[in-house]
Amino acid sequence: DAKTTQPPSMDCAEGRAANLPCNHSTISGNEYVYWYRQIHSQGPQYIIHGLKNNETNEMASLIITEDRKSSTLILPHATLRDTAVYYCIVPRYGGATNKLIFGTGTLLAVQP
Amino acid sequence: DTEVTQTPKHLVMGMTNKKSLKCEQHMGHRAMYWYKQKAKKPPELMFVYSYEKLSINESVPSRFSPECPNSSLLNLHLHALQPEDSALYLCASSQVRGGTEKLFFGSGTQLSVL
Repeated sequence: DAKTTQPPSMDCAEGRAANLPCNHSTISGNEYVYWYRQIHSQGPQYIIHGLKNNETNEMASLIITEDRKSSTLILPHATLRDTAVYYCIVPRYGGATNKLIFGTGTLLAVQP
Repeated sequence: DTEVTQTPKHLVMGMTNKKSLKCEQHMGHRAMYWYKQKAKKPPELMFVYSYEKLSINESVPSRFSPECPNSSLLNLHLHALQPEDSALYLCASSQVRGGTEKLFFGSGTQLSVL
C-alpha cells in the first residue's frame, strides 16, 4: 500500500500561489495520486488526480515528479475560501472497488 | 444533479435508541461509502457497497449496520451506540471513468450519543 506524507500545516497569502507537497515514495507504477480537500464542517471535495503527467483543471494543477515519488498541488491564486485541509491519497484496490484512505492531510490557512 | 444528500444533518440519540442515517444520490453511481470522522481527525472508511452488495467492511462493530436497498440509497442503522461513537458520519458515491474513481461526498450527519 502506498502511504503518503504531508506537512501538517501551511500558510499562504491571499492572491499568491499555494504549493502543497506530498511524498508517496512507495507508489506502484499503476497507482494514481488523488487530491481532495475538506473545508470546515463540509464533506471532502475532489480536486484533481494524476498518474505521471502533470494535470490541470479549473481548481488546481498537479505536478508529479518523474520518479513519481512525490507530487505538488498548486492553487495558483489562493483565496480565503481555499482555507481547508488538503489530502493527498493513493487509493488501495479493495477488490470490487478502490479504498480511499485519508491520511492526516495539510491544513492550509490562507491569510488576508 | 451532482449531489449526495444526507439526512438528518444532526442527530442526538441515547445509548438504548435505534436510529438510521440516510444517504441518497441520483448520479447513477454504483459504489457508495460510509465514513466516520471524529473532530480534528481525517475521515475513516467504514463500509463500501458496490452494485448494492457489501464490498468492504473495515472491521466495524456490529452496532453499525449498513444497508443498500437500491442503487440510489444507502442507510446506516445504529443500535446500542456508545458515547465514543459520536462523530460526523459521511456518505459518498463514486464515478468510475477510465480506470480512475472520483468520490462525491455529502455534508454528513453530526451524531451525538448521550
